[in-house]
Amino acid sequence: DQQVKQNSPSLSVQEGRISILNCDYTNSMFDYFLWYKKYPAEGPTFLISISSIKDKNEDGRFTVFLNKSAKHLSLHIVPSQPGDSAVYFCAASMDFGNEKLTFGTGTRLTIIP
Amino acid sequence: NAGVTQTPKFRVLKTGQSMTLLCAQDMNHEYMYWYRQDPGMGLRLIHYSVGEGTTAKGEVPDGYNVSRLKKQNFLLGLESAAPSQTSVYFCASSPMGYENIQYFGAGTRLSVL
Repeated sequence: DQQVKQNSPSLSVQEGRISILNCDYTNSMFDYFLWYKKYPAEGPTFLISISSIKDKNEDGRFTVFLNKSAKHLSLHIVPSQPGDSAVYFCAASMDFGNEKLTFGTGTRLTIIP
Repeated sequence: NAGVTQTPKFRVLKTGQSMTLLCAQDMNHEYMYWYRQDPGMGLRLIHYSVGEGTTAKGEVPDGYNVSRLKKQNFLLGLESAAPSQTSVYFCASSPMGYENIQYFGAGTRLSVL
């Protein structure tokens, strides 16, 4: 039972345009969400997070939106750059501070120069 | 500035052989984790530890054992390797606190023939 779903395995976006990566979850107990970025042959690295008390969190070119009623979050990257080409994982945890994360299956983002 | 270091980076085993994967972190983190990444499956938690001397099962613990004798090290053991354990293994660590931001190693690619 996949509690965190990323339904798009891949996404291609032109350089300079907006990239939107989506993530859905089924467990209403999740209250903290993170995005990780992964380059080939490297481990995932933390990108941005959001707690359920917010609906938006921004960090430079990266913004995460949370829609609790729809159990949906999205990561917006604008403008997209070639270095953004990577696999992006969303992750969720229950009880803010809980030590376990549940990861989605990932979306491979390719930025076209 | 090592962070999380995994040893070895690559390994090929024959069915039935045993091996131990080593994870070391120099950030004084309380929590440590072992994940496996398979195509289309995302990151799945095998075992984790919330402190020295503690271990707990994750989502896919069968066929693996772990030990955390020292705070900085987390070992993952395969007693009798099976082809189904062919995967990329990631270790992660995180500090105790409200935000469960996990820091990952570069991964170990394991093939079981």
